[in-house]
Parts: sequence; C-alpha cells; structure tokens
Amino acid sequence: GAGVSQSPSNKVTEKGKDVELRCDPISGHTALYWYRQRLGQGLEFLIYFQGNSAPDKSGLPSDRFSAERTGESVSTLTIQRTQQEDSAVYLCASSPYQNTQYFGPGTRLTVL
Amino acid sequence: AQSVTQPDIHITVSEGASLELRCNYSYGATPYLFWYVQSPGQGLQLLLKYFSGDTLVQGIKGFEAEFKRSQSSFNLRKPSVHWSDAAEYFCAVSKAAGNKLTFGGGTRVLVKP
Repeated sequence: GAGVSQSPSNKVTEKGKDVELRCDPISGHTALYWYRQRLGQGLEFLIYFQGNSAPDKSGLPSDRFSAERTGESVSTLTIQRTQQEDSAVYLCASSPYQNTQYFGPGTRLTVL
Repeated sequence: AQSVTQPDIHITVSEGASLELRCNYSYGATPYLFWYVQSPGQGLQLLLKYFSGDTLVQGIKGFEAEFKRSQSSFNLRKPSVHWSDAAEYFCAVSKAAGNKLTFGGGTRVLVKP
C-alpha cells in the first residue's frame, strides 16, 4: 500500500520568508510525527499528533514553528520568518495507535 | 530525559565481514528500542524493534540486535555484510509504543569491495 508522502521534496527559500511543508500519512494511522534532521546530525523530535488529543509540541524549537493536522489526515508544518539555521531535512512519520512509526522521504529545506 | 549514544560515527567494513553497531541508551524504565536505516536520498526504514520478551531480536535484511539491560545497550549485528548495506544507521528509544522517538547521532557504514 501507499506509504507516507511528503511535499515538496525540495524547497529553497529566502531568509525571512514563510514555508509550508505537507505530510500525507498512511491511511488509518492515528498518530503523526514531525522530526528535523540537520546536516550530519541525528533526528530531532518536533511535534506529535495522536487522534483528537492535544498535540505534543515539546520539540518545537521556537514560536516560528507551528503545525496543524485535520483529524487523522494531512498535516502541515509551517515555519515563519525562516532563518538559515532552519535548513534541514524535515521528516514526517505516521503510526497506528501505539505502534511502529513509518517515515516519509522527507522535505529538504534550504534557506538562503 | 531519555538519550541515545552511538559511539561510532563511521565504520568501514569489508563485504562479507561481520558488522556490529553500538547503541547505548539512558532511560529510567524499560525502554522501547528501535534500529532504523537510512540509505542515501531515502527516508528511514525500520530494521527491527524491541518492546519486551526475548532480548535477541531478529529484523529484516539479516540484521539482529540484542537488548542488554545491565549494559543499557542495544547493539545491532549482521554476520555477513553486503555492499547494499552501506547506509546510515540510527538507534532510537521511546518510553512507550507510539511515543516520540529520541534518536542517536547515527553511524555511517561504508562497505569495501
């Protein structure tokens, strides 16, 4: 079946602009996660949605970062007033309730 | 707070040789442990996971890992490496199934012909 999809695959933007990254989870997966992978580093947790519960936003690095999810479908990660340190690969994952996370291919964000 | 350490940043191994990747975690209770592999330009693929039970876990692509509570380790092994195993490997821990993952820094594996 279809896996987790993310769009765009690559995004180049100028410092100070806003960007939106999209994640389409696997159908039926109740949980959705966003992670960030900076060059040469491991993955950092950003935010986690589980069904209709309040999201766990504990990993968001600043108030310029926000994310939304409608029900158990698509999620959008928004970064406002982008900075060069926001350059990274943003990975989305989804999982069935209390189960293994399956990752998408990521969006590579470059802030000039 | 939980943390994961992968002491080896790079490992070079000859094709056909055995491979062991180290992972140490810090967490107060019984952790949920994972190994993921990331091939160039690809997303992360789950190799194996440990939730409970038998401490020796078999995964895909001929990989296995052993949970050792006394050493706070979850090392990944493969008896005979193939060129296609060249990739970056990440160990991760969570405090419950479905909870957020904390990742180690990764180990990049190079395979020599």
